[in-house]
Amino acid sequence: EADIYQTPRYLVIGTGKKITLECSQTMGHDKMYWYQQDPGMELHLIHYSYGVNSTEKGDLSSESTVSRIRTEHFPLTLESARPSHTSQYLCASTLQGSETQYFGPGTRLLVL
Amino acid sequence: GIQVEQSPPDLILQEGANSTLRCNFSDSVNNLQWFHQNPWGQLINLFYIPSGTKQNGRLSATTVATERYSLLYISSSQTTDSGVYFCAVARETSGSRLTFGEGTQLTVNP
Repeated sequence: EADIYQTPRYLVIGTGKKITLECSQTMGHDKMYWYQQDPGMELHLIHYSYGVNSTEKGDLSSESTVSRIRTEHFPLTLESARPSHTSQYLCASTLQGSETQYFGPGTRLLVL
Repeated sequence: GIQVEQSPPDLILQEGANSTLRCNFSDSVNNLQWFHQNPWGQLINLFYIPSGTKQNGRLSATTVATERYSLLYISSSQTTDSGVYFCAVARETSGSRLTFGEGTQLTVNP
């Protein structure tokens, strides 16, 4: 079983606020991913990283940004939250040489 | 980009029944995974199966890569099997970047 953590699990915040969603894994996985999922819909990749100091945008355009300063940590930041950012954000990781993706529990974000 | 189609979109079963979920994809892939998302939103990896057949307890999966489809079999279903089942694929040129299907919503009634 994978150890990948996300905080907060739920966040209600006002428009214009800056937020950071945390994702950490303790498995030494080099590849990490952020997905966005609206209720009842499929997951869309918004950011990924193949290692420290490596970040790329995913298939779905997003106003969020990410950083990868440490292997185990892959935070996602929204500089100015808007109601259109309301969604579930899921973090995942994979070990180099393996393709199996392990997911964190997700953060449900509601922007008022 | 690659297209992933899952069927059926919704499935309602009585406990103990068997079911087959299908995933069709539009291009050659070297990475195919099945996930279960429980009612609390947590995704669990069921299988990494770019080709061939695998079994894990009451679940099994088969991917026929040359015909671009995969099947997930659930036998003797239980209420805890309820949730959404996602198929996700990646082409060799995509690295590990998965494209997800829209999922099959499974409800197992007692």
